[in-house]
Amino acid sequence: ETGVTQTPRHLVMGMTNKKSLKCEQHLGHNAMYWYKQSAKKPLELMFVYSLEERVENNSVPSRFSPECPNSSHLFLHLHTLQPEDSALYLCASSQDTVSNQPQHFGDGTRLSIL
Amino acid sequence: GESVGLHLPTLSVQEGDNSIINCAYSNSASDYFIWYKQESGKGPQFIIDIRSNMDKRQGQRVTVLLNKTVKHLSLQIAATQPGDSAVYFCAENIGGTASKLTFGTGTRLQVTL
Repeated sequence: ETGVTQTPRHLVMGMTNKKSLKCEQHLGHNAMYWYKQSAKKPLELMFVYSLEERVENNSVPSRFSPECPNSSHLFLHLHTLQPEDSALYLCASSQDTVSNQPQHFGDGTRLSIL
Repeated sequence: GESVGLHLPTLSVQEGDNSIINCAYSNSASDYFIWYKQESGKGPQFIIDIRSNMDKRQGQRVTVLLNKTVKHLSLQIAATQPGDSAVYFCAENIGGTASKLTFGTGTRLQVTL
């Protein structure tokens, strides 16, 4: 059982739609992350939050908008996406952003853009 | 640039044999390394980690070896089982930036009966 839960597991949307991905962690961690996983490519870090404050934004297009209302929840708001945005979006959490502790991942949302 | 890479994209191992998955890293400043397992339809699952002040760490059926001289990391799985079939990633955590993990592209382990 994962301590990081992501919903929905699958999402199909058109390029003009607006949707949100949700992540919840039950591990008492203070840092949360969004990653993009595309076929045959390494995981790409998108955003990092520490204690609800965004500390990292890896040149992600503005059509992806993260939100972290508290240390247990993380959202990724999507609008006007492109076909190349189809991928597996993974959420992760860790104890903090400074100590060497592993990140724990959810099972991801498989996103398909029509 | 600095990168984390894997030597073999696919490894086929017979059930009961030992598996060795390799990873090369090029950033000498990296001080923390993690192995993840990703099964089909699931997210990466933490297996084992090792800090740069160690050269070996053992878990349940798994051992990670770190050779800082040649910047090489390996994951050994003893008595490989069908349930070990998955993609395995190594990741390095550049010192002082625990929020940044650099991942390799992964090695697929296939366990044959």
